[in-house]
Formats: sequence, C-alpha cells, structure tokens
Amino acid sequence: TQLLEQSPQFLSIQEGENLTVYCNSSSVFSSLQWYRQEPGEGPVLLVTVVTGGEVKKLKRLTFQFGDARKDSSLHITAAQPGDTGLYLCAGAKTGGSYIPTFGRGTSLIVHP
Amino acid sequence: DTAVSQTPKYLVTQMGNDKSIKCEQNLGHDTMYWYKQDSKKFLKIMFSYNNKELIINETVPNRFSPKSPDKAHLNLHINSLELGDSAVYFCASSTLAGAQYFGPGTRLTVL
Repeated sequence: TQLLEQSPQFLSIQEGENLTVYCNSSSVFSSLQWYRQEPGEGPVLLVTVVTGGEVKKLKRLTFQFGDARKDSSLHITAAQPGDTGLYLCAGAKTGGSYIPTFGRGTSLIVHP
Repeated sequence: DTAVSQTPKYLVTQMGNDKSIKCEQNLGHDTMYWYKQDSKKFLKIMFSYNNKELIINETVPNRFSPKSPDKAHLNLHINSLELGDSAVYFCASSTLAGAQYFGPGTRLTVL
C-alpha cells in the first residue's frame, strides 16, 4: 500500500490552463514537501508545509496542506511550458525519526 | 557551488561486477540518503545516515552497502551487480525538518 497517493498520474494540458495535483494519505504527516524533477536531473525542492491548513504561494504555484495534515494540493495557474516536469510529494509520519516517503509522482506536460 | 554532488553521472558495467558511487554535500546537513528511482520514476529510499549512524535500511539486498567516512560524504558500494540493479540512484541530504536536497543522479546500467 502506497503511503502517499498522488493524482493524477499524468497530465497533458495547453499553455495558459490551470491545474491541480493532489497528494493524499490516511496518515498524519509532521511535514510535507513538494518537488519538481526535470529529465536527467534530481528532484528540486519547491516548498515545505508544516501547519494544518497552511497555504504557501510561489509565483503561479499555490500549495495547501490539509487541516488534518493528511493531504496536500498543488495548484498551478496559467501553466507554461517551463512547468513541464515530474511533480513529487513527500512526507514523514508524525513521531520518531524523519523517514521520508514519496508519492509516485504526477507527470505534467504543458504544450505551447 | 554544487550543494550535493555525486559521481559518476553514468555507470555502465557487466553483471557480477562491483561498483561504487560517491556522494558529497557541502550544506552542513546532518542526514544523508540514497534513493533508487526505477523506470516508472518511483523514488524509493534505500539508506539514511545521521551523524555517521545508519538509521534507515529498507528491504535492500545486502549487496548494497553505504559507507560514510564523514558527515559530508555517503558513498554507495554495490557487490555482484544484477540486471535488476539498473536504475537511477540519487544521493540527498536534509535538515531535521526533512526537506531533501538531491544530487544530479547516477544512471546505472547493468549489462
């Protein structure tokens, strides 16, 4: 059973469209991160959310942590071809050492 | 300055060989990790080292052994390579808050 479920798995959209990627779990997380990975490179950290209900914005990207700290979403406004990549959520369950687990990722393609 | 570096970038080798991948971080982080990313892009943690102590060892074959000479380095040694070991291996480091900083990856191909 995958601890973090990401959806959708694949997303192909036109430039200018909006999109939302979801990261869900039945477990509570002490923190959750979102990463973007481009072909041939390592994942790059976009944001860390810690507080339930927290909303963070990074230019056209909006990240939200669920009130119960079990889920998160990433919303991209007016997507651009440069947003193309694999988006990964990752987190660690509450208590004990930080043991990260990753979702399976959402592969986004933005067509010009 | 590169935060997390790993070498080599590409590694092509025959089955049964022994190989090593090196990783270094200059971020001053206490924890370093090795991940394996398969062909479906699933990123799975293999090892974690905190202050030179192994704190995670997932169900990884004992042919894989992490070696940490100091806090800034975590190398991965693989014995008797198998076809199924072909993947991209990522080194990462993190603060206690958990945000991971990844290296560029090593693409291992076992023939």
